[in-house]
Amino acid sequence: AAGVIQSPRHLIKEKRETATLKCYPIPRHDTVYWYQQGPGQDPQFLISFYEKMQSDKGSIPDRFSAQQFSDYHSELNMSSLELGDSALYFCASSLGAGISGNTIYFGEGSWLTVV
Amino acid sequence: GQSLEQPSEVTAVEGAIVQINCTYQTSGFYGLSWYQQHDGGAPTFLSYNALDGLEETGRFSSFLSRSDSYGYLLLQELQMKDSASYFCATSGSARQLTFGSGTQLTVLP
Repeated sequence: AAGVIQSPRHLIKEKRETATLKCYPIPRHDTVYWYQQGPGQDPQFLISFYEKMQSDKGSIPDRFSAQQFSDYHSELNMSSLELGDSALYFCASSLGAGISGNTIYFGEGSWLTVV
Repeated sequence: GQSLEQPSEVTAVEGAIVQINCTYQTSGFYGLSWYQQHDGGAPTFLSYNALDGLEETGRFSSFLSRSDSYGYLLLQELQMKDSASYFCATSGSARQLTFGSGTQLTVLP
């Protein structure tokens, strides 16, 4: 079965650079989520989209932006990167709202290292 | 907002039963979920409780008491592969899942 696809899996950027992460949700899933997980931390909710419209917003820095495109893939754009942005970034998708117990499926994550 | 508390570490031996507790405070509540995450891997959905009571899925069971803002994950017949982090999670809004700080489970031979 198709899963959530994220790219790239690893990337290294320098401070103040820009990075873009891509996510391809499971086909026919209508909701996409982005999470940030630092070492030894729990996943922190950044933002979600429902049917290509922004749904909920969490602790996403102003330097970050995200959007979902007509083909349902989503991108997380991160600018003016800081050392503290080094983390594992997960994209997830679900069919229906996660609050209803609909399973949220996570991708394998994108490792971002800022040096 | 939402906050969830769970123990940071639990250790048990193979074949044993372990219970991971979770207490939560939320501005809105739409059920309690449990996720498993192996080191460097993706969180994987284990269980969900919307109503009070016990949900059983194979070796894993999850319990919820909404009046006590409390739930737990019960893992039976522990196996080495169960060594992982376990997160309780809840939502206060439609499409936002907030995770607890996670419980690192170590299963010893």
